[in-house]
Amino acid sequence: GIQVEQSPPDLILQEGANSTLRCNFSDSVNNLQWFHQNPWGQLINLFYIPSGTKQNGRLSATTVATERYSLLYISSSQTTDSGVYFCAVPYNQGGKLIFGQGTELSVKP
Amino acid sequence: GAGVSQSPSNKVTEKGKDVELRCDPISGHTALYWYRQSLGQGLEFLIYFQGNSAPDKSGLPSDRFSAERTGGSVSTLTIQRTQQEDSAVYLCASSLVGRGGTDTQYFGPGTRLTVL
Repeated sequence: GIQVEQSPPDLILQEGANSTLRCNFSDSVNNLQWFHQNPWGQLINLFYIPSGTKQNGRLSATTVATERYSLLYISSSQTTDSGVYFCAVPYNQGGKLIFGQGTELSVKP
Repeated sequence: GAGVSQSPSNKVTEKGKDVELRCDPISGHTALYWYRQSLGQGLEFLIYFQGNSAPDKSGLPSDRFSAERTGGSVSTLTIQRTQQEDSAVYLCASSLVGRGGTDTQYFGPGTRLTVL
């Protein structure tokens, strides 16, 4: 089956810093989602981005489908950005999501 | 509009008991998914419903796990004779179409199950 790898596994930032999270996947995909899991466990949709670049406020994402990776950029980080960031891709016709292991981000004041 | 809801939010049970977890998807979403998140295992797929049928049950870990969906809406995940290794957060998601995997899945808040 498809493999999804995220890096780095952990990241500590000072408030105001920028960061880039990476997601590599082992096969061609027709969808990719980025999620933020907040400290209460809720998975919040950030981006649906099978290809190209999207921006939403301080966050942006780029997927290069031909090279099988996606990047999530966080600019001017805030303490509320802390949590775990997951990327996920669908597998087989039903679209069940295969998740990476996540990047745990901690933003210090 | 209302998102995906799950109940209960927390469930503590004794080993050997049966539990039922409920998921209410977003209205009009035909696809519904169950996932499990446990320490050391990450987020794992359990089962997928398209309408009331389950074309993919490949993630159910044992025959103690079953799920149904009625009226193309509410789904119940049942775990019989619970074991301590069943302790996890059970997450439900729904999407508008499902087939082809090209649409966005929206997740509920989860049910945290603790088996003593």
